[in-house]
Amino acid sequence: SYELTQPPSVSVSPGQTASITCSGDNLGDKYACWYQQKPGQSPTLVIYQNDKRPSGIPERFSGSNSGNTATLTISGTQTLDEADYYCQTWDTSTACVFGTGTKVTVL
Amino acid sequence: QVQLVESGGGVVQPGRSLRLSCAASGFTFRDYGIHWVRQAPGKGLEWVSFILFDGTNKYFADSVKGRFTISRDNSKNTVSLQMNNLRAEDTAIYYCARERGIFAVASDAFDFWGQGTMVTVSS
Repeated sequence: SYELTQPPSVSVSPGQTASITCSGDNLGDKYACWYQQKPGQSPTLVIYQNDKRPSGIPERFSGSNSGNTATLTISGTQTLDEADYYCQTWDTSTACVFGTGTKVTVL
Repeated sequence: QVQLVESGGGVVQPGRSLRLSCAASGFTFRDYGIHWVRQAPGKGLEWVSFILFDGTNKYFADSVKGRFTISRDNSKNTVSLQMNNLRAEDTAIYYCARERGIFAVASDAFDFWGQGTMVTVSS
């Protein structure tokens, strides 16, 4: 079955750039999307189709996807960006797959 | 505004059944696929099932295949997840979420989520 691997945690200072990776076999051949989940809340879509932002998502969130790795970048990270982030894709054999999740700490 | 409301969660013994419902409003329900996603306490997101906008195709995670079924009633704007032969490892918050693409035949992303309903499988 298809798997997506993320680093368990990423730390970033306020105002700096956070990069979260998501690795899977030939992931660049598929669409990747990203969700933000804060404690006690439902997930929120922040990036879809590799690099598109839904309405209402700040410009500091951006995405890319090439080769075996998709990346979510948070530029000018704010304390309110502290959350868990999950990548996700659709694989023809496995259907929907979520990444293992990354806890972003802003300190 | 788009709204998804889950119901039907609760405490159930191993081996028993439970039926979850997802009630949708604020959009043309019959045009969109719906997913179920679960999250065990303190764990990550796990996709469970997906039903296309017209109900013609249904997909399941290997962990629930053969035990869970999904259905929809486009006249009532609802999707149901029938969970049979429940196991302790099915304990989780269950979310329903809307597939982003209209008339999608595969998944692109989930653009709206409900607040979730808790299912606890315990003797």
